[in-house]
Amino acid sequence: QSALTQPRSVSGSPGQSVTISCTGTSSDVGGYNYVSWYQQHPGKAPKLMIYDVSKRPSGVPDRFSGSKSGSSASLTISGLQAEDEADYYCCSYAGNFCRVFGGGTKLTVL
Amino acid sequence: QVQLVSSGAEVKKPGASVKVSCKASGYTFTSLYVHWVRQAPGQGFEWMGVINLSGGSTTYAQKFQGRVTVTWDTSSNTVYMELSSLRSEDTAVYYCASVFSGTYYFDDWGQGTLVTVSS
Repeated sequence: QSALTQPRSVSGSPGQSVTISCTGTSSDVGGYNYVSWYQQHPGKAPKLMIYDVSKRPSGVPDRFSGSKSGSSASLTISGLQAEDEADYYCCSYAGNFCRVFGGGTKLTVL
Repeated sequence: QVQLVSSGAEVKKPGASVKVSCKASGYTFTSLYVHWVRQAPGQGFEWMGVINLSGGSTTYAQKFQGRVTVTWDTSSNTVYMELSSLRSEDTAVYYCASVFSGTYYFDDWGQGTLVTVSS
């Protein structure tokens, strides 16, 4: 299974919004509503931010939102804050488990 | 919420095996899967395999078939991942992560174990 496609990097100023895309195929992103997003700060374990395309775990700020259209999913972060600077990864169910990851996107808060 | 605590860093020579542990606590395990995902330095994630804690059945990524073994010790609530025939490309942080039955996302992650393969 090929990795999902994410932009290598995105950036935004504090208070702005950024969107990170995650493109797959009909066998993964396009075939199921089971896309999840993870935030990873340097040297730390990943943290679940969005699951089932658009649901937020408790404790995740509502500045984080997810959506999907066809075989592409998106993570939008509004009202950017300095602590949002991190790497973000998407993962999609592919007929068995969430086992197809995106290559990761580095978010820089200017 | 499940707490996952990983074992400490390891340094191995090429050709050797490594066994990494992940101690689970905080939830009933009958509806839990524990996955292993690795991250090479500066790279993304690579799914390796999973064990169903209710019964012990396993599934492995094709890439690692024959080289990886995931087991569950019920007496200590610890999941183990053993990777054999190590090569330099196996240098990575190895994470365990939990998934509840019927869901398709990683709820909780261990802190990761750095495995360095070097002669």
